[in-house]
Amino acid sequence: NAGVMQNPRHLVRRRGQEARLRCSPVKGHSHVYWYRQLPEEGLKFMVYLQKENIIDESGMPKERFSAEFPKEGPSILRIQQVVRGDSAAYFCASQLTVNTEAFFGQGTRLTVV
Amino acid sequence: QQQVKQSPQSLIVQKGGISIINCAYENTAFDYFPWYQQFPGKGPALLIAIRPDVSEKKEGRFTISFNKSAKQFSLHIMDSQPGDSATYFCAASSTGNQFYFGTGTSLTVIP
Repeated sequence: NAGVMQNPRHLVRRRGQEARLRCSPVKGHSHVYWYRQLPEEGLKFMVYLQKENIIDESGMPKERFSAEFPKEGPSILRIQQVVRGDSAAYFCASQLTVNTEAFFGQGTRLTVV
Repeated sequence: QQQVKQSPQSLIVQKGGISIINCAYENTAFDYFPWYQQFPGKGPALLIAIRPDVSEKKEGRFTISFNKSAKQFSLHIMDSQPGDSATYFCAASSTGNQFYFGTGTSLTVIP
């Protein structure tokens, strides 16, 4: 049983480029969350998705950030025109059903240079 | 607005001692309270979780105490070991909604 798989583990982008972060949830899980973690800080909610639907994107910046969870394939967090302030660890978590254990991936560490 | 407040920010405990981390929340709709452990460079891993219908849950050396009237819950690590040194996050959620995390407690267990 594979856990939540995130790739890449490390991503370096120049300012202005696009970053695409992928998350494959635990098999059978249809609920996916994305969180951002800055050094020495907690986890900040970004977006909650179910298959093909965005349920809650209240934590997502209004511009440059988007997320999807298609019927087939991984969930994608996309950051356009990255800036230095986007440098952080981005974690994905998945759940089988609501209000049950959420499993986290190892994260993608984005560095913008 | 911090939905879940966690303290202390850091904690140093002697090996064999008890580590206690506290969290408080305001939203009475929360009905699931997990604790996560995170090692450097890794993702958070679920340690133990509780629902408000019980006041205490114990799993090995880890115990959650839950006080519904005070809207507080805490993690107790008995017989703390150097391998327990990590960052611990409390969280809370209500059905169908996101997890709200505390700001984390960095625990160091001294041999």
